[in-house]
Amino acid sequence: GQNIDQPTEMTATEGAIVQINCTYQTSGFNGLFWYQQHAGEAPTFLSYNVLDGLEEKGRFSSFLSRSKGYSYLLLKELQMKDSASYLCAVINSNYQLIWGAGTKLIIKP
Amino acid sequence: GAVVSQHPSWVICKSGTSVKIECRSLDFQATTMFWYRQFPKQSLMLMATSNEGSKATYEQGVEKDKFLINHASLTLSTLTVTSAHPEDSSFYICSALLRGRYNEQFFGPGTRLTVL
Repeated sequence: GQNIDQPTEMTATEGAIVQINCTYQTSGFNGLFWYQQHAGEAPTFLSYNVLDGLEEKGRFSSFLSRSKGYSYLLLKELQMKDSASYLCAVINSNYQLIWGAGTKLIIKP
Repeated sequence: GAVVSQHPSWVICKSGTSVKIECRSLDFQATTMFWYRQFPKQSLMLMATSNEGSKATYEQGVEKDKFLINHASLTLSTLTVTSAHPEDSSFYICSALLRGRYNEQFFGPGTRLTVL
């Protein structure tokens, strides 16, 4: 089967750094996405990785290791508005996105 | 960036009626669109893959006679929930696939369906 695992919930402090991990097993691999989703809204795109290594985009960075089936999303200088669910998703060989259950990130002052 | 619209954004209907939800890619052509549903505090669940000009591919456990999908053009896919019941109440989200370097899915804003 295909599955993606990520922690259910994480808590961090405003201004700090948090790393959200994601491991995956899918039929083929055409890239890994991270999305942010606020309650009641559709997901918004954060990052895409298809090659091993780190992709940095402002306060957010995403890392991929294809050999380990592993990725993480790193959020720096956390702000209260970063409180949301973060979804890891892998696009497989059939161009379907396989979704993780999401990690609810709670930011405390 | 690419924009996907969804209509209506929310709908309330009586049990037993049918509801149609439209998904449009506004500034690009999408041969493939996806339909998801999401229950509160849960992840997105893929319902079906909609391919222009052909029958949709449904995920296991999704009733194709209940959730009718029509992808009649390169910019429009529709999902019809037939004979809706209260348990069909959910957040329905569509996305359109933009093939290319990122193979990115662009999401519509979602449709909140409430069946009374």
